[in-house]
Amino acid sequence: DVKVTQSSRYLVKRTGEKVFLECVQDMDHENMFWYRQDPGLGLRLIYFSYDVKMKEKGDIPEGYSVSREKKERFSLILESASTNQTSMYLCASSLSSLAGSSGFFGPGTRLTVL
Amino acid sequence: GQQVMQIPQYQHVQEGEDFTTYCNSSTTLSNIQWYKQRPGGHPVFLIQLVKSGEVKKQKRLTFQFGEAKKNSSLHITATQTTDVGTYFCAGTASGTYKYIFGTGTRLKVLA
Repeated sequence: DVKVTQSSRYLVKRTGEKVFLECVQDMDHENMFWYRQDPGLGLRLIYFSYDVKMKEKGDIPEGYSVSREKKERFSLILESASTNQTSMYLCASSLSSLAGSSGFFGPGTRLTVL
Repeated sequence: GQQVMQIPQYQHVQEGEDFTTYCNSSTTLSNIQWYKQRPGGHPVFLIQLVKSGEVKKQKRLTFQFGEAKKNSSLHITATQTTDVGTYFCAGTASGTYKYIFGTGTRLKVLA
């Protein structure tokens, strides 16, 4: 079974703090994704990575950066957290295929920025 | 940019009634996937459709991919309380790796 884990289930941070969200997958997947989920807006893609050290912007990359130094780990960084970044953050991974392959999600991190 | 719209946003049905959610993309998709997210949980993969006009069934669930590969539907026959959750479609635009999710349809089943 594919396992995607995220470093925290719940996180509370203050405005201006630097925040690291970590995601690890154990199935040697090439693709990894970071989404945020907000009521009424569904899942919106922040960044994704299709290989180590490779990254591409999703639809809402502003205020975020990512790091993929190892294949199994994809980190989301909020350089200076703001209240509008309060959200549920979901990490996903999938095999690399332009024909598509199923995405496996982590349990999510609920981030609150005060 | 690529957009995937999903309707309806919410649906309440009586247990035993049928339910359908529709997914429409602004661009041609190489594939479409459906996920279910239970309240408090994370999205769980249900199925992937790849071929134009493809229809797949999983017990009471029927998934369809449009001929033009720009739309899809999920139909649940005789809903049960265990069907409660939010159903998302996710499409991959042709030539890309990234999934774009629809906004989801939240299903409530009244016993």
